[in-house]
This record gives sequence, C-alpha cells and structure tokens, in this order.
Amino acid sequence: AQTVTQSQPEMSVQEAETVTLSCTYDTSESNYYLFWYKQPPSRQMILVIRQEAYKQQNATENRFSVNFQKAAKSFSLKISDSQLGDTAMYFCAFPLSGGYNKLIFGAGTRLAVHP
Amino acid sequence: GAGVSQSPSNKVTEKGKDVELRCDPISGHTALYWYRQSLGQGLEFLIYFQGNSAPDKSGLPSDRFSAERTGGSVSTLTIQRTQQEDSAVYLCASSLVGPNNSPLHFGNGTRLTVT
Repeated sequence: AQTVTQSQPEMSVQEAETVTLSCTYDTSESNYYLFWYKQPPSRQMILVIRQEAYKQQNATENRFSVNFQKAAKSFSLKISDSQLGDTAMYFCAFPLSGGYNKLIFGAGTRLAVHP
Repeated sequence: GAGVSQSPSNKVTEKGKDVELRCDPISGHTALYWYRQSLGQGLEFLIYFQGNSAPDKSGLPSDRFSAERTGGSVSTLTIQRTQQEDSAVYLCASSLVGPNNSPLHFGNGTRLTVT
C-alpha cells in the first residue's frame, strides 16, 4: 500500500532561521514525483516544490529545498531564512498509481514562524 | 478565469439534504480533481476527470457521492442524503496533462457543514 507519513504535527521557528519538515513514504513504484504543498489560512493549496525520483540532485526553489533519500524513502523540506508569510500547513504528497496528480497526502505539519 | 473558482465558499445544510458543489477550472486545463479535507487531516482523493475519458471514481467514499463534468469544463460534486461525517472542506483542482505534466492548481474550497 502507498502511504505518506509526516511525524511532526506542529513546528515553530524564529524569523530568519532554518527549519526542516520531515516526510517518509512507501511505494512500490520506481519512477514517481514527490511534492510539498503549502496551505495558508486562505485554504488554497500552493505547490512549494517538486522532486522527480529518478533525479539524484535535490530540488531547490529559492529558500525552499528538499533532502531526498530514495533508498530510505525520505523527502524532507528545508525552509531557509524563514519569513512570517511561511506560516501555514505543509503537506507532503506523491501520486497514487494511475495519475500524475492523483495524489496521496500526509496529515500535514503546522508551521508557525515567530517574529 | 485566472484561477480555479469554487462555489459556494461555505455551505451549511441539514442532515439528509442533498448538496451541490461547483468547480470552474482554469481554462484549457483538461484534468480536474476533487479532494476532501476533513478537519485536521490531509487531503483525500475523491474523483478525477481527464478529457473525454471515463472518470476515475476510485476515491468516492460511498454511492451518495457523485460528480459530473459538463463540456469538459465546469464540474459539480453532488452529495445526497448528507451525513455529519460529510462535513469537510471540498477542494477542486485542475491541471494540464501530457509530456509536461503541470502541478495542481487548487481552488479555495467549499467548507461544508452538516448539522
């Protein structure tokens, strides 16, 4: 069965510091994508970053980067220079078999950035 | 439109009544998805439409749930004989499909409360 686990229900960080959110998953697929989505209080889910499993290089988008460990099935998100606007729920996700965007999501990590 | 539009943004209904939730995807996006987010949980896949193909209904929780997509654009999710456990935020998303799969673009969701 395909599963996604986010073991940190809540995290907090001071503005300008770095925080890492963890995610582990299980799949029998060999080639797939992994995603991190952000959900601010507005409820709209926003893609933060995505990683292609066949690429060894970790994806980076400005202050956001991932640490992808395929053998360990681990996909953590690092946020550098945290900003107040980063306060949100963060969800790790990857595709269920049968569709690129037919996703299974973790339960989420609530991140609070404090001034 | 510029983004995915969902209506209503909030809906309160009595147990046993039927409800319809509407989604207007981004113009040109051939794929449309419905997800459900129960309080404090991650997103749960419900149904997926792609072009003129038969929809993937594998995530619908019961036969009280149905969805249609007319003219390859607007979609309606219908819940019949609503139950209290149907209370959740229902999120719609659309995307392009093809060699350059685009990520999901989400709407702001409909918060459904069944009393």
